[in-house]
Amino acid sequence: NAGVTQTPKFRVLKTGQSMTLLCAQDMNHEYMYWYRQDPGMGLRLIHYSVGEGTTAKGEVPDGYNVSRLKKQNFLLGLESAAPSQTSVYFCASSPGTGVSGELFFGEGSRLTVL
Amino acid sequence: KNQVEQSPQSLIILEGKNCTLQCNYTVSPFSNLRWYKQDTGRGPVSLTIMTFSENTKSNGRYTATLDADTKQSSLHITASQLSDSASYICVVSGGYGNNRLAFGKGNQVVVIP
Repeated sequence: NAGVTQTPKFRVLKTGQSMTLLCAQDMNHEYMYWYRQDPGMGLRLIHYSVGEGTTAKGEVPDGYNVSRLKKQNFLLGLESAAPSQTSVYFCASSPGTGVSGELFFGEGSRLTVL
Repeated sequence: KNQVEQSPQSLIILEGKNCTLQCNYTVSPFSNLRWYKQDTGRGPVSLTIMTFSENTKSNGRYTATLDADTKQSSLHITASQLSDSASYICVVSGGYGNNRLAFGKGNQVVVIP
């Protein structure tokens, strides 16, 4: 089973460039999330979606946009990359919330902004 | 102030030995607490979930405990193996949805032969 798949796995950008990270899940989960993970910090929520066609801001949304046009896909966009966005990005999905809210993570996308 | 504090930040243990990781939280109200294991270069994977009424839960050589009164949880690894080398992340839910989860910074465990 593929689970949650992220592409690309690695990317190097120059300041000001744009890019899109793609997340695909094959578990028919309603909820999807984008997190960033930085050294010495816990995972921080960027944006999330509670179903197809919905998106909402998380803890650190500035500089990012998202779209969920299809239930299985959740895209994270950087319109004008900044060095502060150098990080490892994780996509996750969950079948529900509360006790049904186990997060299923992708393998991560490592982004470096020069 | 982070609502989830984990200790120790890192530790090195000999293969075959036991270790215990601590998670203290201030999240209130409390719904559940999960421990995730994150191997280097991989995404986190859930090990166990603890709800308010549960004190102990095991998953193979991993045993989690919860004291909801003192807002503390522990993860005990028995007879450690090299594959246990990873970061262990404590995640607390207040029951308001996964957009309000509180993440710890993780316990980095290195098992040496």
